[in-house]
Amino acid sequence: DIQMTQSPSTLSASVGDRVTITCRASQSISSWLAWYQQKSGKAPKLLIYKASNLESGVPSRFSGSESGTEFTLTISSLQPDDFATYYCQQYNSYPRTFGQGTKVEIK
Amino acid sequence: EEQLVESGGGLVQPGGSLRLSCAASGFTFSSYWMTWVRQAPGKGLEWVASIKQDGSGKYYVDSVKGRFTISRDNAKNSLFLQMNNLRADDTAVYYCATDPGRGYDPWGQGTLVTVSS
Repeated sequence: DIQMTQSPSTLSASVGDRVTITCRASQSISSWLAWYQQKSGKAPKLLIYKASNLESGVPSRFSGSESGTEFTLTISSLQPDDFATYYCQQYNSYPRTFGQGTKVEIK
Repeated sequence: EEQLVESGGGLVQPGGSLRLSCAASGFTFSSYWMTWVRQAPGKGLEWVASIKQDGSGKYYVDSVKGRFTISRDNAKNSLFLQMNNLRADDTAVYYCATDPGRGYDPWGQGTLVTVSS
């Protein structure tokens, strides 16, 4: 099984900050990685697919990148609506696996 | 508007069974892989099972193999998860989601399954 190691588990930041979340795959997943945002009590929402493609309707302050088996989600200027938990997920092979999540909190 | 609505959750005793349903609307259900994902209280997301468009291919996480069965009825735009021999660690919110091959989107609102005596 492919393990997805996400860091940090918690991140404290202020409105306007640049935020970076990292996800490392235990083996190659090509670019088959998605990022989701989940707010308390709600279903996850797809933000990024195939490592760097912005889902329709998602603000352009969100971006994704990759370097080998390391993937990054960046929020260029954190907005009040962005305080949530973020998950990465590989869809290269079964079983599909998620990272442990990163909670973005208000500093 | 693409929409998924889960139902069938509830309280069940250890060893019991439940059948979850997911009703799809606003898109061509039969064209997509479909998936169940769960989230235990206060925990992260866990992929549970996926099913191919025509039902001929199915995948499961190891912890549910032999106990859970994913199925679909394309004529009724519905996805199902039959859960048998339930355990306390199956307690979670269960989400159905569409798999268009670029991550999961959309997701349903989730249905809570509680396994407790």
